[in-house]
Amino acid sequence: EAQVTQNPRYLITVTGKKLTVTCSQNMNHEYMSWYRQDPGLGLRQIYYSMNVEVTDKGDVPEGYKVSRKEKRNFPLILESPSPNQTSLYFCASSQRTGPDYGYTFGSGTRLTVV
Amino acid sequence: GENVEQHPSTLSVQEGDSAVIKCTYSDSASNYFPWYKQELGKRPQLIIDIRSNMDKRQGQRVTVLLNKTVKHLSLQIAATQPGDSAVYFCAESGGYNKLIFGAGTRLAVHP
Repeated sequence: EAQVTQNPRYLITVTGKKLTVTCSQNMNHEYMSWYRQDPGLGLRQIYYSMNVEVTDKGDVPEGYKVSRKEKRNFPLILESPSPNQTSLYFCASSQRTGPDYGYTFGSGTRLTVV
Repeated sequence: GENVEQHPSTLSVQEGDSAVIKCTYSDSASNYFPWYKQELGKRPQLIIDIRSNMDKRQGQRVTVLLNKTVKHLSLQIAATQPGDSAVYFCAESGGYNKLIFGAGTRLAVHP
């Protein structure tokens, strides 16, 4: 089944403790992206990747890192989480080299930083 | 910068009535406009999309209209059902390697 898999689904952590949210897709998509969803703000892009070893900042990249060492995986790294990073996170992938063919979203990761 | 305004933020309709959600986008170079439905606790899912070479597209009970002149986009859901209750997002895609989403419309369909 074609899908985008995120882990974990729920995570509660403390300020400053490094964490990684994993994202993997099995559709051989070149384009992958991370969004955060906050009430009243919709979905805002954090980082995106056009292909292996090609990543770039979105609208809200501060406090986040990503890597794209292989096509299927696109982990989101929070080196020193802070409470303002409490949010619902979605990984997404798209065929071809851009989002112009629609996203397939992962199931989401609800992160709470205390 | 690029921006998508979506309204209303909440919409309540009776089962069987139509629901209309509207968006205004800012980037005249945008060429792809998807609509996503997000049920409570679930991921956004694509329900219909339209490209800039079209002004109307219809799916099953959903119709999207695009007016490029005034940069308006709308989604109509006909004959609403309780299962249509969800948050709906419009989005635009231009040459910026991302989809820019509206803030969402929470639709409630009452039996």
